[in-house]
Amino acid sequence: DIQMTQSPSTLSASVGDRVTLTCRASQSVSTWLAWYQQKPGKAPKLLISKASSLESGVPSRFSGSGSGTEFTLTISSLQPDDFATYYCQQYNSNPYTFGQGTKLEIK
Amino acid sequence: QITLKESGPTLVKPTQTLTLTCTFSGFSLSTSGVGVGWIRQPPGKTLEWLALVYWDDDKRYSPSLKSRLTITKDTSKNQVVLTMTNMDPVDTATYYCARRGVNGGVDYWGQGTLVTVSS
Repeated sequence: DIQMTQSPSTLSASVGDRVTLTCRASQSVSTWLAWYQQKPGKAPKLLISKASSLESGVPSRFSGSGSGTEFTLTISSLQPDDFATYYCQQYNSNPYTFGQGTKLEIK
Repeated sequence: QITLKESGPTLVKPTQTLTLTCTFSGFSLSTSGVGVGWIRQPPGKTLEWLALVYWDDDKRYSPSLKSRLTITKDTSKNQVVLTMTNMDPVDTATYYCARRGVNGGVDYWGQGTLVTVSS
């Protein structure tokens, strides 16, 4: 199985901050990587697919980059609605594994 | 508008078989590139991908659970069914039905259903 490792596990930040979340794969997944946002008690929401393709309706302050084994999700200016847990997922090979998540908290 | 909804028991006993049904609308599972699958999340933990069936009836299972899982689709009813045998308390989780979009990401999710395994 491909292991997905996210860092940091928890990130404290303020409204207006620029933040970068990292996801590393144990082997190359090319650009077959997605980012999701999840709020408590809710299903995840797809933000980015194919490493950098922003889903329709997702604010442009979200961006993704990377390929191979190193990926980042950047939020250019944090808004109150962005405080949530973020997961990366590889879908290069079965099983389509998720990272353990990064919880973004209000400082 | 695309929606998916899970249905099935909320409580099962150890060793029993779990059967979950996903009923979806707003898209067809006959469309090339589309898949519908199941993902679960134990309380306070990360997501675990379980199984996926594609538009052409190709099926993929998590290797660690493959012996316990069966996924089937009924295109005429817009339903996908997951069965998981020999349930154990560690299988307690919220089970999500979800659509794999043409770009590969899971672009639509059901609300999830919490399944508790307890005697």
